[in-house]
Amino acid sequence: QLVLTQSPSASASLGASVKLTCTLSSGHSSYAIAWHQQQPEKGPRYLMRLKSDGSHTKGDGIPDRFSGSSSGAERYLTISSLQSEDEADYYCQTWQVFGGGTKLTVL
Amino acid sequence: EVQLVESGGGLVQPGGSLRLSCVASGFTFSTYWMSWVRQAPGKGLEWVANIGQDGSDRYYVDSVKGRFTISRDNGKNSLYLQMNSLRAEDTAVYYCARDQTEAVDHYMDVWGKGTTVSVSS
Repeated sequence: QLVLTQSPSASASLGASVKLTCTLSSGHSSYAIAWHQQQPEKGPRYLMRLKSDGSHTKGDGIPDRFSGSSSGAERYLTISSLQSEDEADYYCQTWQVFGGGTKLTVL
Repeated sequence: EVQLVESGGGLVQPGGSLRLSCVASGFTFSTYWMSWVRQAPGKGLEWVANIGQDGSDRYYVDSVKGRFTISRDNGKNSLYLQMNSLRAEDTAVYYCARDQTEAVDHYMDVWGKGTTVSVSS
């Protein structure tokens, strides 16, 4: 069964960098995923598609501060030079499955 | 501009029905799979249903099978979700999303702003 696992929360300081993780369940380590951002009281926003080889394709208007990488079954979203508007929930997704989301707090 | 706009949400009593609509613009609607995704208050995102380009392939999350029907009208660039026998646990914001299918990759890359469904007596 395909499952995506995310840590419930993360925090980092304004101007710093943070790396969020999404882990694919056993047998699914080759799958590409998408990262989505949901700011408070807003709908989701597509950030990027991230493949198992680490290549990623970002959505329109997504800043260069957002990048993706992969290692085995792990898919990462790195946000550098954190800004206050980056405080949001971040979801990974593939096929009909979503991770539980990571709530990012910018300190 | 690529855009999805949902409508049709509202307050309905348990056991009632609602029909959600999603109008697409800025892309060739008929060439994409489409999905409905919901988010209950304070909860994460949950995929509800999706439909293939010509409407012949349809899939549902177990909790809505037999109660919800997804459909589309490519001539009107529109996606629909007919929701019957509604329950309190169907209360959520419902989002329309475009699916990207590339070989074995399948992910969502465009989202609407959502429409709110409240099921309560």
